[in-house]
Amino acid sequence: GAGVSQSPSNKVTEKGKDVELRCDPISGHTALYWYRQSLGQGLEFLIYFQGNSAPDKSGLPSDRFSAERTGGSVSTLTIQRTQQEDSAVYLCASSLFLAGGSTDTQYFGPGTRLTVL
Amino acid sequence: SQQGEEDPQALSIQEGENATMNCSYKTSINNLQWYRQNSGRGLVHLILIRSNEREKHSGRLRVTLDTSKKSSSLLITASRAADTASYFCATFQGGSEKLVFGKGTKLTVNP
Repeated sequence: GAGVSQSPSNKVTEKGKDVELRCDPISGHTALYWYRQSLGQGLEFLIYFQGNSAPDKSGLPSDRFSAERTGGSVSTLTIQRTQQEDSAVYLCASSLFLAGGSTDTQYFGPGTRLTVL
Repeated sequence: SQQGEEDPQALSIQEGENATMNCSYKTSINNLQWYRQNSGRGLVHLILIRSNEREKHSGRLRVTLDTSKKSSSLLITASRAADTASYFCATFQGGSEKLVFGKGTKLTVNP
């Protein structure tokens, strides 16, 4: 079946502009995650959605970052007034939510490479 | 804070040799996962080992887990050039659903 898809694959923007990154999770996966990976760094958790529960936004680095998930499926990560330090690969992942309150293996999309000039 | 820390940071071997990567973590876990990343893009899930397991195999991959030492190792046997990638261990942080990754081991397999 189809995996997690993300768009665009690459985005170049000017400092100060807003950008929107999109993630289409695997059908039926109720959990959705956003991560950021800066050059040569590990992955940094940003935000987590599970069903209709309030999202865990504890990883968002500033109030310029926001995300929403419409209809429990597609998610959009928005970065307002982009800065050069926002340049990174933004990865989305989805997983099943298992009985007992835990999640299963996370399946990652190919990522969006954001470059802020 | 980093939950998983891999070592070595970089590893270069010849095709056919075995590659061993290690991961240490800080808090108690329910499971530990290993992922591979090619060319800085999407991650591929390799294997998950639960806290009550000590060893798990999947093809040429062998993962061990020592909860007393809070460490795990990933062994790739008979490596191939196509195994060249970065490998990350990941654990869930503090009972939450946040998967915390280490900075990874960059493996290069020379043909």
